[in-house]
Amino acid sequence: AQSVAQPEDQVNVAEGNPLTVKCTYSVSGNPYLFWYVQYPNRGLQFLLKYITGDNLVKGSYGFEAEFNKSQTSFHLKKPSALVSDSALYFCAVRGPTEGNNRLAFGKGNQVVVIP
Amino acid sequence: DAGITQSPRHKVTETGTPVTLRCHQTENHRYMYWYRQDPGHGLRLIHYSYGVKDTDKGEVSDGYSVSRSKTEDFLLTLESATSSQTSVYFCAIKGQGEGYTQYFGPGTRLTVL
Repeated sequence: AQSVAQPEDQVNVAEGNPLTVKCTYSVSGNPYLFWYVQYPNRGLQFLLKYITGDNLVKGSYGFEAEFNKSQTSFHLKKPSALVSDSALYFCAVRGPTEGNNRLAFGKGNQVVVIP
Repeated sequence: DAGITQSPRHKVTETGTPVTLRCHQTENHRYMYWYRQDPGHGLRLIHYSYGVKDTDKGEVSDGYSVSRSKTEDFLLTLESATSSQTSVYFCAIKGQGEGYTQYFGPGTRLTVL
């Protein structure tokens, strides 16, 4: 079975500091990995994904994520956080043998950027 | 928002009443999904569809049914609503040729009293 763990419920960071949101995954075989962001009272918005190739993936709004196969991790990063980055962030995974294109989502991380 | 709309956007209902939520998409996507979002649980898959009249259960399907009689509409029905079904419900589609990326609708906030 495929699964994702987001170990921290909330991440607090000062504006201008680097932001990291952690995600580890469990699948059989090579994973497809995703990050989504949810602003208050909105649906989830796709940020970026890793399927194959370069381990560093760049996405929307200045975010990037690094795939680390040995540590089964896919941490989301931003070099300099903005107050507007305050939101709920979800990591998701699909294993290569998972049928019907289902994703497994983590529980989400609340990011609070302090002015 | 990938051309996805959900209706209603907000609903308050009473325990024991049936409720139907609608997801409508305009881009002919084959795969559609219903999730619920609850604090501490993230997103959990209720049901999904891989074509007209082709549906299957997700991880939290008890108390829910779905129907897809045409490509653009995916309906979620709570047969007899309970307070434990108070949640925010999201519909999603799988983008075509985009490596399994899903795109989400704006959500429906359902309160069961």
